[in-house]
Amino acid sequence: GEDVEQSLFLSVREGDSSVINCTYTDSSSTYLYWYKQEPGAGLQLLTYIFSNMDMKQDQRLTVLLNKKDKHLSLRIADTQTGDSAIYFCAEILGGYSTLTFGKGTMLLVSP
Amino acid sequence: GAVVSQHPSRVICKSGTSVKIECRSLDFQATTMFWYRQFPKKSLMLMATSNEGSKATYEQGVEKDKFLINHASLTLSTLTVTSAHPEDSSFYICSARTSSLGTDTQYFGPGTRLTVL
Repeated sequence: GEDVEQSLFLSVREGDSSVINCTYTDSSSTYLYWYKQEPGAGLQLLTYIFSNMDMKQDQRLTVLLNKKDKHLSLRIADTQTGDSAIYFCAEILGGYSTLTFGKGTMLLVSP
Repeated sequence: GAVVSQHPSRVICKSGTSVKIECRSLDFQATTMFWYRQFPKKSLMLMATSNEGSKATYEQGVEKDKFLINHASLTLSTLTVTSAHPEDSSFYICSARTSSLGTDTQYFGPGTRLTVL
C-alpha cells in the first residue's frame, strides 16, 4: 500500500478552520512536511515538524503529530479563499534525503 | 531566501525532439538536487537524485538514457528529455536540498509543463 496517505478532498467555508490529515507507515520518519501547491505552480514548503515533536504552531498553521498512530495533521485557522490549493504531506526517513509524498488533499474554500 | 527557479516554465515540442529544463538555486548552494514528475492524479514521483559533480542516481523504472541529468554546479542542474514522446508530457518539478539554512529540507522550483505533440 501507499507509504503516505491523505484524503483527496476537503471543502470548507471562509473563516472556518481546515484540518487536513495524513497517515504514514514508516516509524523511522525523521522529518514530516506540509507543502502547498497552487494551480499550475510548484510546491511551496509551508511547515515541517521533527519527529520528536508533538506540535508546532506557525501563525495560522498548527501541525500535530501522533507518532503512536503515525498520524499527522495540518490545521489552518481562519481559512481564506487564497488557501485553496492542494496540500501534500511528505516524510523523510533517517539519513536519506528523498521525500515520500502523499497524493495530496485538494482544499476548496468557498466564500 | 531559499528560492529555486526553473526554466522554461512551459514548453511545447514535437515528438522526437529533445527538451532541456534548467533548475537553479538562486540564493543558496544545493548539495543535492532532485527531479520529480507529477502525474495527473497529483502524486509526485521521484525520478532521480543528483549531486554536484557526480552521476545522477535514477529511481527504478526511470530510463537514464532518456532523462539525462547534468549537475554542473552547486546551483544548477539540468534535465534533458531526449527524443520526447507524447507520453512524456507532464509537469516536471525540481527541488534543491540544503542544510545551510538551519534545517535540512528541500525547496521546490515552480515546475515546468512539458507538452509533446
